[in-house]
Amino acid sequence: AQKVTQAQTEISVVEKEDVTLDCVYETRDTTYYLFWYKQPPSGELVFLIRRNSFDEQNEISGRYSWNFQKSTSSFNFTITASQVVDSAVYFCALNTGTASKLTFGTGTRLQVTL
Amino acid sequence: NAGVTQTPKFQVLKTGQSMTLQCAQDMNHEYMSWYRQDPGMGLRLIHYSVGAGITDQGEVPNGYNVSRSTTEDFPLRLLSAAPSQTSVYFCASSYSPGPGNTIYFGEGSWLTVV
Repeated sequence: AQKVTQAQTEISVVEKEDVTLDCVYETRDTTYYLFWYKQPPSGELVFLIRRNSFDEQNEISGRYSWNFQKSTSSFNFTITASQVVDSAVYFCALNTGTASKLTFGTGTRLQVTL
Repeated sequence: NAGVTQTPKFQVLKTGQSMTLQCAQDMNHEYMSWYRQDPGMGLRLIHYSVGAGITDQGEVPNGYNVSRSTTEDFPLRLLSAAPSQTSVYFCASSYSPGPGNTIYFGEGSWLTVV
């Protein structure tokens, strides 16, 4: 069975601080995909990144970066110099098998204040 | 850019009433699915479809019906609404059913059953 754990329920930071959102996953499959989605206060789900199990390179996109470590089954997400617009719930998700069925974590609510 | 369109955005139902949540995508995606989002539980898969005429159950299918008569549309039916079905519902689609495909979500439908 697949499982995604986001142990941080809620994080509050002051603008310009760096913040890391943790994601730990469990699967017995050797081929799998990991995703991060952002859910802003307006409620929609916005795709941020997809990473496959064979690519452990870290990725940076502007202020966002992702650290994938198979040895610890983690796919952590860091926001550098956070901004108020980063306030949202962030979901980590796992997809394995032959169909597009995502297993989501319970989400981390990030609150960025001035 | 229409993407995945869900209607209605908000709905209040009485226990025992029936209703259909509509979902349409204009990206010619083969794969479509429905998730529900509940506090503290992330998103859970209700039903999915890998193509027109083909549907299957996800993690929490009880109380819901689906059909896929066209590639574009994937309605979710509640035959006899119960308070336990109060939730936020997301329709999603991807180009094909494979696990590496990015899944794109609609804006969500907020359903309250009283």
